[in-house]
Amino acid sequence: ETGVTQTPRHLVMGMTNKKSLKCEQHLGHNAMYWYKQSAKKPLELMFVYSLEERVENNSVPSRFSPECPNSSHLFLHLHTLQPEDSALYLCASSQGLGTAEAFFGQGTRLTVV
Amino acid sequence: DAKTTQPPSMDCAEGRAANLPCNHSTISGNEYVYWYRQIHSQGPQYIIHGLKNNETNEMASLIITEDRKSSTLILPHATLRDTAVYYCIVRVFNDYKLSFGAGTTVTVRA
Repeated sequence: ETGVTQTPRHLVMGMTNKKSLKCEQHLGHNAMYWYKQSAKKPLELMFVYSLEERVENNSVPSRFSPECPNSSHLFLHLHTLQPEDSALYLCASSQGLGTAEAFFGQGTRLTVV
Repeated sequence: DAKTTQPPSMDCAEGRAANLPCNHSTISGNEYVYWYRQIHSQGPQYIIHGLKNNETNEMASLIITEDRKSSTLILPHATLRDTAVYYCIVRVFNDYKLSFGAGTTVTVRA
């Protein structure tokens, strides 16, 4: 248990669906991150929030829409995804941007059909 | 644009020390070496980091060569629960970007 909780753990959605991934941390951290891990590929940084402000949007398609309503919660809203978007989506948090240790959640395994 | 090179896989015996190598020959003076691991179906877990001195914590030891072009992560007494993919990452200390490569798949065998 890392203190970063992601829900749901598994999600199957159709290409026309809209769904949201949720991440919650009660570690008192003020930076949160979304990563994508596709099969056979390294983790890719998608979005970074610091003090609820987005500081990184790593050329991610607009069908992925992040939201950070407060420092403890991070969402990833999904709509009209493609099968190639199927992956493990990981949330992480850290005390501040660039601190040594990032804490990761267990991820949401997303399958787009 | 990999800045580190790790062997793709290695086996270790349970109870023995596991020595995981990493080459980072182009490391800059202000870049640290970080190690994370990812156990199957879980998110990555921070292990240790260092600049140029050897470091030790409750999980592992990090040995960095004097020229800083390579390092070794040592798990002193490997257990079956240490089976995971281990990632060696170099980054400037205050840079939030963690660039994960392919890592080393470590299998601890009984």
